[in-house]
Amino acid sequence: DTGVSQDPRHKITKRGQNVTFRCDPISEHNRLYWYRQTLGQGPEFLTYFQNEAQLEKSRLLSDRFSAERPKGSFSTLEIQRTEQGDSAMYLCASSPGQGVYEQYFGPGTRLTVT
Amino acid sequence: QQQVKQSPQSLIVQKGGISIINCAYENTAFDYFPWYQQFPGKGPALLIAIRPDVSEKKEGRFTISFNKSAKQFSLHIMDSQPGDSATYFCAASIRATGNQFYFGTGTSLTVIP
Repeated sequence: DTGVSQDPRHKITKRGQNVTFRCDPISEHNRLYWYRQTLGQGPEFLTYFQNEAQLEKSRLLSDRFSAERPKGSFSTLEIQRTEQGDSAMYLCASSPGQGVYEQYFGPGTRLTVT
Repeated sequence: QQQVKQSPQSLIVQKGGISIINCAYENTAFDYFPWYQQFPGKGPALLIAIRPDVSEKKEGRFTISFNKSAKQFSLHIMDSQPGDSATYFCAASIRATGNQFYFGTGTSLTVIP
């Protein structure tokens, strides 16, 4: 399967703990996006990378959130000191870039903060 | 502030009927409009997308109609099937500035046999 993969698929954590999610994009896709989706809502943009450079961050991305894409391939999203309001589906999408604008989403990581 | 407004919130259609979902936007800088289908517990899957230089795009049973002057676009699903039962999201983006998507709030479609 050459689609976008995310790990883990589900994460349950206690408030105050740190969590890290991983996203593996489609091979050779230059752009990688992170979105957050809460129940009954559409995905909301968090941040995106062009290769290894993080080019934009949403105001939704508080200081407790950090994302990396160290070698322009996989990406990680870390949430420090989790809060119950962080409970959501975290979605990763990749896009070829270079004039091709379709974004292909992974299955998401469902985070539950207790 | 919702950048893209989507309606209806839910839709029930008979098998074989036409499902129509509407979206509206305000930001005239938007120049890319995709539609996604999402099943419970899954990530969104790209259905079809349009750019504002065309008024209609068709792929199989799915058609996007785009009205630039009204700042509206819609998804038509012809010959709707029970397997089409899912949540549908419209989105909009500005291609030149990162292309991050602004999604609507979704439409839950149920196709009854």
